[in-house]
Amino acid sequence: NAGVTQTPKFRVLKTGQSMTLLCAQDMNHEYMYWYRQDPGMGLRLIHYSVGEGTTAKGEVPDGYNVSRLKKQNFLLGLESAAPSQTSVYFCASSYSRQRTSSYNEQFFGPGTRLTVL
Amino acid sequence: AQKITQTQPGMFVQEKEAVTLDCTYDTSDPSYGLFWYKQPSSGEMIFLIYQGSYDQQNATEGRYSLNFQKARKSANLVISASQLGDSAMYFCAMETVGNEKLTFGTGTRLTIIP
Repeated sequence: NAGVTQTPKFRVLKTGQSMTLLCAQDMNHEYMYWYRQDPGMGLRLIHYSVGEGTTAKGEVPDGYNVSRLKKQNFLLGLESAAPSQTSVYFCASSYSRQRTSSYNEQFFGPGTRLTVL
Repeated sequence: AQKITQTQPGMFVQEKEAVTLDCTYDTSDPSYGLFWYKQPSSGEMIFLIYQGSYDQQNATEGRYSLNFQKARKSANLVISASQLGDSAMYFCAMETVGNEKLTFGTGTRLTIIP
């Protein structure tokens, strides 16, 4: 099992450019998440999905869009990148969140370091 | 709204000593779970330990234990016999039933001194 994988690992964009980050999981998880991590701020949720074909906004959704066309994939798009979107982006997945238990552990990908100039 | 507070931005601990990382939380929901994750310098997030709000006993996983004080809304991580490999960022996080997201604290950077 590869677990949760993210591509690319690093990317440098110019302001105004667009890009898509791909997250894939092979654990048959229902729930998937995109976070951003900035110094001194922990991880903040951008968008999440509770199943194929569904998406929902998290804490900091502005400037991002997502799609979950297949259960195993969760895409994060930046339509017009801004320097404020320079961050490390983490994807995560979990079985379900119907009850609070250790089975709701989120499994994280290795992260994507994005720099917007 | 849920909130996690980690008041220790950084800690230095001598190797082989025990260390306690503080975490306080705020929620009005009676059913919730608390997680601790480790992030080494390589960047990946590693799940360490979980405590449910209705668990009667404090959670333990090897050298990790969770000092859960429900009335004080604290869930401190205790690492016994610290090792050099424990040097990392540590994040406390909380979820509540019906809320499909984890709320993270700002983290504590732990450095183990040989």
